[in-house]
Amino acid sequence: DPKIIQKPKYLVAVTGSEKILICEQYLGHNAMYWYRQSAKKPLEFMFSYSYQKLMDNQTASSRFQPQSSKKNHLDLQITALKPDDSATYFCASSQDNWSDYTFGSGTRLLVI
Amino acid sequence: GQQVQQSPASLVLQEGENAELQCNFSTSLNSMQWFYQRPEGSLVSLFYNPSGTKQSGRLTSTTVIKERRSSLHISSSQITDSGTYLCAMSGSALGRLHFGAGTQLIVIP
Repeated sequence: DPKIIQKPKYLVAVTGSEKILICEQYLGHNAMYWYRQSAKKPLEFMFSYSYQKLMDNQTASSRFQPQSSKKNHLDLQITALKPDDSATYFCASSQDNWSDYTFGSGTRLLVI
Repeated sequence: GQQVQQSPASLVLQEGENAELQCNFSTSLNSMQWFYQRPEGSLVSLFYNPSGTKQSGRLTSTTVIKERRSSLHISSSQITDSGTYLCAMSGSALGRLHFGAGTQLIVIP
């Protein structure tokens, strides 16, 4: 059974629209993260949360907003979508900020 | 500048050969982790190894903090080892991982 569930697996969106990427972890971890992998680029850090509080933020654009309704949830809302937002978005978690990570299988987003 | 550099960028092996993948980092280290990225994109954690040597089956990871490097050794490679190997390090207490660009490994019969 997957320990980190990301939904949907694939997503096609129209430029200018808004989407929410879902992430739930069932590992009992206290820290959760979002990373992005664009074509031909290394995985890039976006956000980290610990005990549902924002700890670190690398995303310059306010169009990307993480949302944590429960300790084991960290969704990612993206507004005013652009074609450059096309990427695979990975959610991850760890017991605390200095432990090993477990990654979800990713949401592959295509903005047309 | 880029904090994590991996080499080689790509590698082709014949089945049964060994491989040594390198990861060099430019800042002080809190954590180091090696991942395997399957061709369909999902990430599998291979090792969490901030220092020393760890072994799991045919895989061995060695991290030498003073030299700012970590390596992944694959012995007796198999076709199913094909994929991308990523190293990632964290230099801060906040846990942010910096990823290398990866080594793409192809194992042929």
